[in-house]
Amino acid sequence: GAVVSQHPSRVICKSGTSVKIECRSLDFQATTMFWYRQFPKQSLMLMATSNEGSKATYEQGVEKDKFLINHASLTLSTLTVTSAHPEDSSFYICSARDTGIKKLFFGSGTQLSVL
Amino acid sequence: DAKTTQPPSMDCAEGRAANLPCNHSTISGNEYVYWYRQIHSQGPQYIIHGLKNNETNEMASLIITEDRKSSTLILPHATLRDTAVYYCIVRDLNNDMRFGAGTRLTVKP
Repeated sequence: GAVVSQHPSRVICKSGTSVKIECRSLDFQATTMFWYRQFPKQSLMLMATSNEGSKATYEQGVEKDKFLINHASLTLSTLTVTSAHPEDSSFYICSARDTGIKKLFFGSGTQLSVL
Repeated sequence: DAKTTQPPSMDCAEGRAANLPCNHSTISGNEYVYWYRQIHSQGPQYIIHGLKNNETNEMASLIITEDRKSSTLILPHATLRDTAVYYCIVRDLNNDMRFGAGTRLTVKP
């Protein structure tokens, strides 16, 4: 089946630094990818929709200058958490839409811990 | 506003069928019903989806009522590894996927 690779799986960083998370669709082209965040014992919250070759669409309340999204190719989207702070510590998950078979496939997630 | 309603938690005995209900009374004609599950600290895993007809695959069966206002996911022989949070989602194919609170299924020996 289709696979979405997300890297890194876990990152610990100091407050004020930036962290980049990569999301790759391995065996299909994804014109649209989605980024979610999840706090402990809560559901996934959609942060933004990433479209290849255009600007991302952010959900209300998500700072676009804080969470930079780049979708430069049909198989790669990146999320950069800029100037990370402890409140940004969360589980970040990407997904990619395989339009051919009407499914969304999810990456394995990135646990971000900001000290 | 939530498009689906699911019980917050359910228990099931190992080897028995797990029947997870979902209400989606405001579903529109072009929206599909999707089921995903999430095991702790992992990304969601696709299970099954359907529009009108009942569906079955190697993981589960999906039963959609005739009026499409509710559905049931059936795991025919639950195992301990099926313990997870199960999400029922309705969406148009061109739209994003938004998660509700889901049902935490615990399979007990």
